[in-house]
Amino acid sequence: GAGVSQSPSNKVTEKGKDVELRCDPISGHTALYWYRQSLGQGLEFLIYFQGNSAPDKSGLPSDRFSAERTGGSVSTLTIQRTQQEDSAVYLCASSTDPSSYEQYFGPGTRLTVT
Amino acid sequence: SQQGEEDPQALSIQEGENATMNCSYKTSINNLQWYRQNSGRGLVHLILIRSNEREKHSGRLRVTLDTSKKSSSLLITASRAADTASYFCATGGKAAGNKLTFGGGTRVLVKP
Repeated sequence: GAGVSQSPSNKVTEKGKDVELRCDPISGHTALYWYRQSLGQGLEFLIYFQGNSAPDKSGLPSDRFSAERTGGSVSTLTIQRTQQEDSAVYLCASSTDPSSYEQYFGPGTRLTVT
Repeated sequence: SQQGEEDPQALSIQEGENATMNCSYKTSINNLQWYRQNSGRGLVHLILIRSNEREKHSGRLRVTLDTSKKSSSLLITASRAADTASYFCATGGKAAGNKLTFGGGTRVLVKP
């Protein structure tokens, strides 16, 4: 079946611009996670959605970062006023529910801020 | 911040040899997982071991977990060139959601 998809696969943007990254989780997966992978910080948790519950935003690095999940499916990660340190690969993952533990990752979006 | 630290950071072996990498973590965990990443993109789940388990096998993979030492190891037996990748351990906490905390990864090169 279809896995987690993310778009765009690559995004180059100028410093100060806003960007939106999209994640389509596996159908039926109620849990959705965003992670960021950068050279300096490795793989970091950003935000977690579970069903209709309030998201866990504890990993978001600043208030320039926000995410939403519409209809319990597609999620969008928005970065406002991008900075060069935002350059990274943004990975989305989903799982059937948190207790299943195994997370299925998408291919990621490589963001480059110039 | 990174909870797990992996050792070694890089490993180069010949095809057919075994590859062993280790992971240490700091806080109590619910489970520990190993993922593989090719070409710096998506991660593929390899194996999960729960905190009450000590060893687990899956094909050519063997994982051990020592909660008293807060450490885990991943052994890949009879390595193949296709095993060339980065390997990450990730811990799931007892907090709701099982958000993963990743180690720094081990880059494995299997030479044909």
